[in-house]
Amino acid sequence: KAGVTQTPRYLIKTRGQQVTLSCSPISGHRSVSWYQQTPGQGLQFLFEYFSETQRNKGNFPGRFSGRQFSNSRSEMNVSTLELGDSALYLCASSLTRDRIVNEQFFGPGTRLTVL
Amino acid sequence: TQLLEQSPQFLSIQEGENLTVYCNSSSVFSSLQWYRQEPGEGPVLLVTVVTGGEVKKLKRLTFQFGDARKDSSLHITAAQPGDTGLYLCAGDTGTASKLTFGTGTRLQVTL
Repeated sequence: KAGVTQTPRYLIKTRGQQVTLSCSPISGHRSVSWYQQTPGQGLQFLFEYFSETQRNKGNFPGRFSGRQFSNSRSEMNVSTLELGDSALYLCASSLTRDRIVNEQFFGPGTRLTVL
Repeated sequence: TQLLEQSPQFLSIQEGENLTVYCNSSSVFSSLQWYRQEPGEGPVLLVTVVTGGEVKKLKRLTFQFGDARKDSSLHITAAQPGDTGLYLCAGDTGTASKLTFGTGTRLQVTL
């Protein structure tokens, strides 16, 4: 079974631009979560989608948004990029959010650099 | 805000040594997971512990969940260079579909 895939793997943008990152979950997984990882803050939860609906959201500004499609693929968008948005963005999929054990499987991440 | 504190932050040891990484919180978790992450890659799930007091062994790795389900430990026996990486614990409250990640322990094992 193929793992979680994320595209692109690397991205360089300038301040003020916007960016869209893509994530394809493991086949059959309906829940997709997004995380931001930086050296200073570690792994921080952005949001989670299940059946095309955002079910949970972390403490990030409205510049960060996402969506999920009917095939469970997900995209996240960051508008008006700031230098501090430079990070590794990780996508994780899980079978369902209703399970007691919320085992998540991560993709390799998208390394975003904002200049 | 739930916090998961890991200790130590950094660990540099030689091949063959034993080590223990701790993950502590004031919150109760319905389950706790351990991940290992290598540079440029996403975290890879090692184990999930669910029951208070549970001990799981994965070859040279032993994971324990505290009785009160607020803390966990990872013990590695006879460390090998292949164990090098960032170890992350992550707690699941069971009421939200997000994981709260620990601060991380960076382990380096040298020959």
